[in-house]
Amino acid sequence: QQQVKQSPQSLIVQKGGISIINCAYENTAFDYFPWYQQFPGKGPALLIAIRPDVSEKKEGRFTISFNKSAKQFSLHIMDSQPGDSATYFCAAFYSAGKLIFGQGTELSVKP
Amino acid sequence: SAVISQKPSRDICQRGTSLTIQCQVDSQVTMMFWYRQQPGQSLTLIATANQGSEATYESGFVIDKFPISRPNLTFSTLTVSNMSPEDSSIYLCSVSLAGDEQYFGPGTRLTVT
Repeated sequence: QQQVKQSPQSLIVQKGGISIINCAYENTAFDYFPWYQQFPGKGPALLIAIRPDVSEKKEGRFTISFNKSAKQFSLHIMDSQPGDSATYFCAAFYSAGKLIFGQGTELSVKP
Repeated sequence: SAVISQKPSRDICQRGTSLTIQCQVDSQVTMMFWYRQQPGQSLTLIATANQGSEATYESGFVIDKFPISRPNLTFSTLTVSNMSPEDSSIYLCSVSLAGDEQYFGPGTRLTVT
């Protein structure tokens, strides 16, 4: 129950396209779902986050869609750019600030 | 957000030795966390370090192997003891700010030979 499953493992998108990364969870006690972006040699950076009482949250080119009944959420990157090439992690809060992470998606945006 | 620094940024150590990693935050925070990221893998929580109390460890991590100190609200250390090559990882500290937002340091890249 303490798992967050993320897919795909890797993703190649053309510049200007839409990148979509999916995550699924089992534990309904999770109440906060952040996405992190990590560039090689750097720590993860908080990108955007959502709570389960909201179905969608948008910040610039980044959108989280949340389906509470299906226990799934996804990150959409609109107008993907080569600078978006990084590893993306979904995560869930499970207790007192503790995060459990998905397996990560390596995104490559081709020019 | 918070500015988080870690020292050292990377190190190469001999097996059987210990390394202490420092984490410094530019503001006072109650909750600090230590994570491990094995090569090409996701992040796994090692322990929660709150000032004034003993660190609490996640399943699979023990205090004898990963002792933690939290002397004040802006600083923490993680020691990796009696290292083996399997300990080669990136070690990251993070802090929880207002609400649920959590921010990570740049990480310490450890290689054990």
